[in-house]
Amino acid sequence: QQPVQSPQAVILREGEDAVINCSSSKALYSVHWYRQKHGEAPVFLMILLKGGEQKGHEKISASFNEKKQQSSLYLTASQLSYSGTYFCGTVPSGSARQLTFGSGTQLTVLP
Amino acid sequence: DSGVTQTPKHLITATGQRVTLRCSPRSGDLSVYWYQQSLDQGLQFLIHYYNGEERAKGNILERFSAQQFPDLHSELNLSSLELGDSALYFCASSVVQGETEAFFGQGTRLTVV
Repeated sequence: QQPVQSPQAVILREGEDAVINCSSSKALYSVHWYRQKHGEAPVFLMILLKGGEQKGHEKISASFNEKKQQSSLYLTASQLSYSGTYFCGTVPSGSARQLTFGSGTQLTVLP
Repeated sequence: DSGVTQTPKHLITATGQRVTLRCSPRSGDLSVYWYQQSLDQGLQFLIHYYNGEERAKGNILERFSAQQFPDLHSELNLSSLELGDSALYFCASSVVQGETEAFFGQGTRLTVV
């Protein structure tokens, strides 16, 4: 079962912040975040393993609440290059470690 | 360059035909995932292989099948093709299952006419 992402779309001005949420009904082993530009392959941003840790990558960071099976991606001081579709991927706990993606959040950063 | 190679890049074929998409994972990666992405849609999980064994199936049609060979490359076979099968097909590979990042190939764009 695929995770649920929200919002579906976000439009920002350069320099503004955004939060993208991802939730699952299953117990999770890990959460993955990817960004895809139109017509290109998804590009890995970060992975969070169970343990509630928060990770950062320049101005993009993410958190993972293992108890709630929720993750959030934080984009601060957005740049034009942040535009694209963001996908969260989840891997359930257990032996079947399939990586299933949400429907995506389309982020548009305007000058 | 992610190190994952997919061939061919583009494929145009007629309804009812059969095609094979090929994926060579990054050196050392044991996991291969296949995804279907229809126009401006999400990434639909099809199937996951780990070290030659099928580990999980998603919404994969019975007309579709896949395998991972001893050299770890994988093939996705699509048969009795329909117009609705037109999509971008991605494979992704990772070292282990679920705890390391998955790297995506550039995809195969399949057009069924």
